[in-house]
Amino acid sequence: EAGVTQSPTHLIKTRGQQVTLRCSPISGHTSVYWYQQALGLGLQFLLWYDEGEERNRGNFPPRFSGRQFPNYSSELNVNALELEDSALYLCASSSDRDGEDTQYFGPGTRLTVL
Amino acid sequence: AQTVTQSQPEMSVQEAETVTLSCTYDTSESDYYLFWYKQPPSRQMILVIRQEAYKQQNATENRFSVNFQKAAKSFSLKISDSQLGDAAMYFCAYAFIQGAQKLVFGQGTRLTINP
Repeated sequence: EAGVTQSPTHLIKTRGQQVTLRCSPISGHTSVYWYQQALGLGLQFLLWYDEGEERNRGNFPPRFSGRQFPNYSSELNVNALELEDSALYLCASSSDRDGEDTQYFGPGTRLTVL
Repeated sequence: AQTVTQSQPEMSVQEAETVTLSCTYDTSESDYYLFWYKQPPSRQMILVIRQEAYKQQNATENRFSVNFQKAAKSFSLKISDSQLGDAAMYFCAYAFIQGAQKLVFGQGTRLTINP
């Protein structure tokens, strides 16, 4: 069974640009989560999508947004990039069936903002 | 708000020995999940073990086991017969069963295995 996949692996952008990160969940999983892992700040929850809807949002500005598609894959968009957006962005998925809502993570996208 | 604290930024252990990583958390909820994830240098976050708060029995997964003390809000991870491949950052995480379902992570413990 294929795991969570993310693309691209690495990305370099400049301040003010926009970026889109992509995530494909494990087959059968309907929930997708996005986390930011910035140096010195640990892992911070960004967004949770389930069945195409945004269910919860972390303490991030509105320029962080995303969506979930009918096939349950997801995009994370970051507008007006700032230097402090440099981080590893991790996507996770879960099935949300009773008793099985463990989140499984993808390999991440490393974003560098210059 | 829920918080997770890992008080050991770094730990080291000799290969084949046993090591215990500490984690405490704060929550007012009675039903929740606790997890240990490892993040090796490849940066892939890998699930190590999971514990449901309503279960009194401590979870085990091969060489990995937890000591879950609900009243003390403590959730430590014991790694037996440590192997070189166990070297990684270990994160303790909390998730409320209903509602937000986001994971709240501790700061992590970097584990080094000495050959």
